[in-house]
Order: sequence, then structure tokens, then C-alpha cells
Amino acid sequence: AQSVSQHNHHVILSEAASLELGCNYSYGGTVNLFWYVQYPGQHLQLLLKYFSGDPLVKGIKGFEAEFIKSKFSFNLRKPSVQWSDTAEYFCAVNALNTNAGKSTFGDGTTLTVKP
Amino acid sequence: DTAVSQTPKYLVTQMGNDKSIKCEQNLGHDTMYWYKQDSKKFLKIMFSYNNKELIINETVPNRFSPKSPDKAHLNLHINSLELGDSAVYFCASSHLTTGLTEAFFGQGTRLTVV
Repeated sequence: AQSVSQHNHHVILSEAASLELGCNYSYGGTVNLFWYVQYPGQHLQLLLKYFSGDPLVKGIKGFEAEFIKSKFSFNLRKPSVQWSDTAEYFCAVNALNTNAGKSTFGDGTTLTVKP
Repeated sequence: DTAVSQTPKYLVTQMGNDKSIKCEQNLGHDTMYWYKQDSKKFLKIMFSYNNKELIINETVPNRFSPKSPDKAHLNLHINSLELGDSAVYFCASSHLTTGLTEAFFGQGTRLTVV
């Protein structure tokens, strides 16, 4: 069964600092990878996704993520965070040809950006 | 134009009661899901339906029963509610036949059992 591990449970940064959130998954086959964001009191929204092609994907709000197949990783980055980026971030993996579309989510990383 | 809508948004009820949460999507997706998010924000899948057919049923007490009258609706009925059922329940949808595996989430239903 696939699993997803997010290394940082809670990250605190000052505005303009750079961000990198780690995500590793365990599944040997073809995967779709996602990062979702959940702002306080809101539902999950898709930040970016990787299906195939260029392993460096760009998402909304200046976020990007790099898929490194050899490391089973899909880390999220942003060069300069803003206070409005304060939210919960979830990495998710969908193992193709199994689990009928079920996305397995990591436990989430709480990002707090101090003004 | 809400893509995935859930009702109610908040639900407070006593232990032992039976309650339902409704979900509808207007995206034309073929697959719908129920996820449970606990107080620590952990997100776990409960059920998935593809074209009204149950395809994923995780380890969930049989007090929870999903019902999909058509592929645009997936309702969740919970019998004999317990304190531990308190959580936020998210409905989501995706379109597997086109390979669109990203999930679109509803606003969530915050269930509080007292």
C-alpha cells in the first residue's frame, strides 16, 4: 500500500523567508503527486500536481515542487513566503492502476508565517 | 457556482443520534469520496464511489453508510453517533476515466457529537 511522509509537522517562518516542505512517498509504480493547501477554516485546494513530463512543476501563488523519482520525493518550495501563506499543507499521492483513484495524504505541515 | 457542495456546514448532535451529510458535485466527475479530518488535521479516506458503485471502503465502522443515488451525489449516513465521530468530513470528486485524479473538495461539514 502507498504511504506518504511529510517530514515537518510545524514550520514557522518570517515573511520573505524561503520555504521548503519535504514529502516522500512509498510506492514503486507510476504515481500522480499533489500538494494541497488548507487555509484556516477552509477546505483543501489544489496547489500543484505532477502527472508526467517536466519534474519541476509550478503551481499557484508562486509555489513549485520538484519530483525526484530516485528519491521518491516531491518537495514543495517557495522563494519568499507571505503572511497569507499561513495554512496547512498536504502532500498526496495517487498510485495509478491501484486503489481506484484513492489519494493517500500525508499528515500535513502547519506553516505559520510571522509578519 | 459551487463545484462540490456539502450540507450542512455545521452539525451538532447528541450521542446515539442518526444523522446524514449530503454532497453534490456539478463538475460531471465520475468518482466521489468521503474523507475524515480529525482534530490533528489528519486526513483519511473513508469511501469512494465510481459511477454509483462502491470501489473503496476503508476500515470504517459499519455505523457509517454511504449512499450514491447517482454519480453526482454521495451522501453519508451515520447511525448511533459516538463522541469519537466528531471531526470535519470532506466530500471530494475526481474524474478517473479521463485520468484526472486530482480531487476537488467540498467546504467540509464540522460534526460535533456531545
